[in-house]
Amino acid sequence: GAVVSQHPSRVICKSGTSVKIECRSLDFQATTMFWYRQFPKQSLMLMATSNEGSKATYEQGVEKDKFLINHASLTLSTLTVTSAHPEDSSFYICSAREGSSAGNTIYFGEGSWLTVV
Amino acid sequence: KQEVTQIPAALSVPEGENLVLNCSFTDSAIYNLQWFRQDPGKGLTSLLLIQSSQREQTSGRLNASLDKSSGRSTLYIAASQPGDSATYLCAVRFNDMRFGAGTRLTVKP
Repeated sequence: GAVVSQHPSRVICKSGTSVKIECRSLDFQATTMFWYRQFPKQSLMLMATSNEGSKATYEQGVEKDKFLINHASLTLSTLTVTSAHPEDSSFYICSAREGSSAGNTIYFGEGSWLTVV
Repeated sequence: KQEVTQIPAALSVPEGENLVLNCSFTDSAIYNLQWFRQDPGKGLTSLLLIQSSQREQTSGRLNASLDKSSGRSTLYIAASQPGDSATYLCAVRFNDMRFGAGTRLTVKP
């Protein structure tokens, strides 16, 4: 079946630095990818919708300048947490929608644990 | 904006009990509804996917129902086991997926 690979699975960074998380669709093309954040004991919250070749659409309350999303190819979207702070520590998970039709199947990555110290 | 609610937030049952988890959503214009399991510190495991035209799906001891018109879904777990302990998430799909807050299930031996 279709696989979405997310890397790194765990990362620790110092406060004030930036960290990049990659989301790759390994055996299909994904015009659209989604980024979610999950704080401890809370549910997944959609942060942004990433569209290949265009700007991401951010959900209300998500700072676009802090969470930079780049979707430069049909198989790769990246999320960069800029000037990370301890409150950005969270579980980040991506998903990718196969093809370009809105109703196509969505596949999830394994997630990335970010700890900012 | 689609809102997804799950009840109860937490549930603790003795092993062997049958149980029902509830999910409700505000916008019935969905492609499908999906139930996931999430173990502590882990990603998502898909359990059941119900298309908008379907009423229910079954897999082993799990049965999920969907009533799109009333915006409700239930996940029925038969003969619960300690290994079923996890957080169960309901997600509804339109252009993106929206998740409920989850039900944290504990099955005691």
